[in-house]
Amino acid sequence: EPEVTQTPSHQVTQMGQEVILRCVPISNHLYFYWYRQILGQKVEFLVSFYNNEISEKSEIFDDQFSVERPDGSNFTLKIRSTKLEDSAMYFCASTEESNQPQHFGDGTRLSIL
Amino acid sequence: SQQGEEDPQALSIQEGENATMNCSYKTSINNLQWYRQNSGRGLVHLILIRSNEREKHSGRLRVTLDTSKKSSSLLITASRAADTASYFCAISNFGNEKLTFGTGTRLTIIP
Repeated sequence: EPEVTQTPSHQVTQMGQEVILRCVPISNHLYFYWYRQILGQKVEFLVSFYNNEISEKSEIFDDQFSVERPDGSNFTLKIRSTKLEDSAMYFCASTEESNQPQHFGDGTRLSIL
Repeated sequence: SQQGEEDPQALSIQEGENATMNCSYKTSINNLQWYRQNSGRGLVHLILIRSNEREKHSGRLRVTLDTSKKSSSLLITASRAADTASYFCAISNFGNEKLTFGTGTRLTIIP
């Protein structure tokens, strides 16, 4: 069964540095999402992306964050000038059509030191 | 917040017993979805139930939805050790794609 894949599985970065989290959604999917889960807390929506543009973003997704689909397969989340509170699991998800089940990757654990 | 609490927060049962988890929400919804998360892994979709549906089944899973009470339940019958995981409900509102997750129920099946 097709899967959403995320790399790296674990990223350790110094505070203030930039990180790029990578995702390969399922190939025929058109809607892409990033979520994060701070340890012990609920999964939080960050951003949705459709037709090469952001369709919705949360209050968390401020100017520090950006997303890109640089080619036909990758979907990236960039976090500039990382802060300690950015430490979390970041999940990518995709879906083929609107209001259908979202398929999640296994996540990237981001640790900011 | 669009999402209420799930209860219980944690549930431990013997293998073979049924497990019931509940989810409440605060807004009108387009659909409600249940996901499972094994420790350190991503979320796995279990069932999607639309706002005009009242009950859905998938294998040993049964989901109900009561839009008048803004609540849903997930029943796992004949539980197995492999069902040990955290279970989350997530709502989708009309007009947007994002999922709003609950706090989850940590289910432990005792062999």
